[in-house]
Amino acid sequence: NAGVTQTPKFQVLKTGQSMTLQCAQDMNHNSMYWYRQDPGMGLRLIYYSASEGTTDKGEVPNGYNVSRLNKREFSLRLESAAPSQTSVYFCASSEGDTGNTIYFGEGSWLTVV
Amino acid sequence: AQSVTQLDSHVSVSEGTPVLLRCNYSSSYSPSLFWYVQHPNKGLQLLLKYTSAATLVKGINGFEAEFKKSETSFHLTKPSAHMSDAAEYFCVVKPYSSASKIIFGSGTRLSIRP
Repeated sequence: NAGVTQTPKFQVLKTGQSMTLQCAQDMNHNSMYWYRQDPGMGLRLIYYSASEGTTDKGEVPNGYNVSRLNKREFSLRLESAAPSQTSVYFCASSEGDTGNTIYFGEGSWLTVV
Repeated sequence: AQSVTQLDSHVSVSEGTPVLLRCNYSSSYSPSLFWYVQHPNKGLQLLLKYTSAATLVKGINGFEAEFKKSETSFHLTKPSAHMSDAAEYFCVVKPYSSASKIIFGSGTRLSIRP
């Protein structure tokens, strides 16, 4: 049981380049999330998807787009990368209801130069 | 409005001594509360969770936390620290019925002295 798998693990981009972070979960969860983690700021929600076919903005959505391709997959796209998007990105999933555990991927370290 | 405050950004204890990581929350409704641990360059792992059952919650690796509604606290404790406990710890609030408003504390870095 792989849980939440995200790729790539490491990526270096030049300013203005685009890229997509991929995330897949094999737990049949309805809800999926993308967070970014910056030093001293905990995790901040970028976008989430409460169920297949729906997406909503979180706390810091600017500069990002998402796609809930199917129930398993939730991708995060940076259309024109900026140095401020240098961060560690975590994908997560849960059943969405209160009390249900949130499961996290291993993280993707992104550097924009 | 919901919020979560981890009262210490860094805690340092000696191996074999007790650990206390403090978390206070604010929520309009009965929330679910979680503690997650993150080891360097790793993802987040669930330590324990409170979901309106027993107020004293036992988790993995000897950790436990007590939900105190009157104090709006959910402090994490362990009787005896081990070197492998050195990590970042996050308190998380998941308010009732809102998948979008999962709120993370800013984290507490736990260091263990030999």
